[in-house]
Amino acid sequence: AQSVTQLDSQVPVFEEAPVELRCNYSSSVSVYLFWYVQYPNQGLQLLLKYLSGSTLVKGINGFEAEFNKSQTSFHLRKPSVHISDTAEYFCAVRQQNNAGNMLTFGGGTRLMVKP
Amino acid sequence: KAGVTQTPRYLIKTRGQQVTLSCSPISGHRSVSWYQQTPGQGLQFLFEYFSETQRNKGNFPGRFSGRQFSNSRSEMNVSTLELGDSALYLCASSLTGTSTDTQYFGPGTRLTVL
Repeated sequence: AQSVTQLDSQVPVFEEAPVELRCNYSSSVSVYLFWYVQYPNQGLQLLLKYLSGSTLVKGINGFEAEFNKSQTSFHLRKPSVHISDTAEYFCAVRQQNNAGNMLTFGGGTRLMVKP
Repeated sequence: KAGVTQTPRYLIKTRGQQVTLSCSPISGHRSVSWYQQTPGQGLQFLFEYFSETQRNKGNFPGRFSGRQFSNSRSEMNVSTLELGDSALYLCASSLTGTSTDTQYFGPGTRLTVL
């Protein structure tokens, strides 16, 4: 079984400031890692995913994340946020070599960008 | 290419009723998954269908069921509705349903149970 912990339920930040959204996971098997964003009244949109290779993954909208196997973390970062980045962000894991693509999500982090 | 569509977008039901939600995946996608999103429990996996067969099921009571048709469209049904079933129900589709595949989410159906 897997579990995902997003350490901050809310992160307020000023526009153009850097931001880091933290994600830690626990799993007895190898997993793939994902970050999704959800804007109000919308579904989830994939920001980026880590499958293998370089531990630094670049995604859409200027976001990037770093996979740290020893710390079982996959933190999301952006060097300069915009008002339009205000949304809820979800970290998720999926078991490798599994017949299926079920995602296990963290509780979400609400990013609030202030002018 | 059109995204994942879900109908209806909003639904109000009363306790004890049943409800059917519909999901049309992206054209060519064969895997459809359903998730329930609530403020208290967050995002929880309900079930996944691939080529009309249920492949995985989450930890939900038997009142929650689903099916997939030959054109990959999927429906989920909830019988004997309870207040706690009020949630946003999200459908996601993927091309091959493998563990490396990207899931694309629809806008969801917001179910309110009175």
